[in-house]
Amino acid sequence: SQQGEEDPQALSIQEGENATMNCSYKTSINNLQWYRQNSGRGLVHLILIRSNEREKHSGRLRVTLDTSKKSSSLLITASRAADTASYFCAMTTDSWGKLQFGAGTQVVVTP
Amino acid sequence: EAQVTQNPRYLITVTGKKLTVTCSQNMNHEYMSWYRQDPGLGLRQIYYSMNVEVTDKGDVPEGYKVSRKEKRNFPLILESPSPNQTSLYFCASSLRTGASGRNTGELFFGEGSRLTVL
Repeated sequence: SQQGEEDPQALSIQEGENATMNCSYKTSINNLQWYRQNSGRGLVHLILIRSNEREKHSGRLRVTLDTSKKSSSLLITASRAADTASYFCAMTTDSWGKLQFGAGTQVVVTP
Repeated sequence: EAQVTQNPRYLITVTGKKLTVTCSQNMNHEYMSWYRQDPGLGLRQIYYSMNVEVTDKGDVPEGYKVSRKEKRNFPLILESPSPNQTSLYFCASSLRTGASGRNTGELFFGEGSRLTVL
């Protein structure tokens, strides 16, 4: 069964607005990662947050992790049309063997 | 340029005709993995390899085989493809965490192989 569930499934916003998506998971994790996928392309790594971290920033991206609620959020500030993509959370529950992905959030940013 | 290369990118085949999707990475990564992506299901792991000659099943290994004879290559083999294996397949690789734990855990993905089994 899938480890991660993302919410919302789809998000439509205008340029300049912030986009927030959430990821919930079922079991304890070692780390959680976020990836972006442009239509028909491979996934690109955005950011990794370890289980002992609560918040992390990278450019316009802000990721939070709440292990007590088994959830993470990805915030994209001041969105751009180029941010249009699907965003996936992924988590490891053991040392390295399995990285399990959520079903993704499809984000559309209109100019 | 650091990359993961998959071939073919597109393939239409018929039920039962054996096929191999190749995957090669030039980053000297120890870890490699195959995923399939289906609408509404996200990415599901098929097989992974922690190092040469070390492979293990992911969540959906049925109907697939892999091998890891060399560090850079990790082919996915469909011995007798069936229509339910129609999917978008991704190969990915990563450095393995050493004792220092300095690795970021980032997966590098290929561009995908779209397979249709008729």
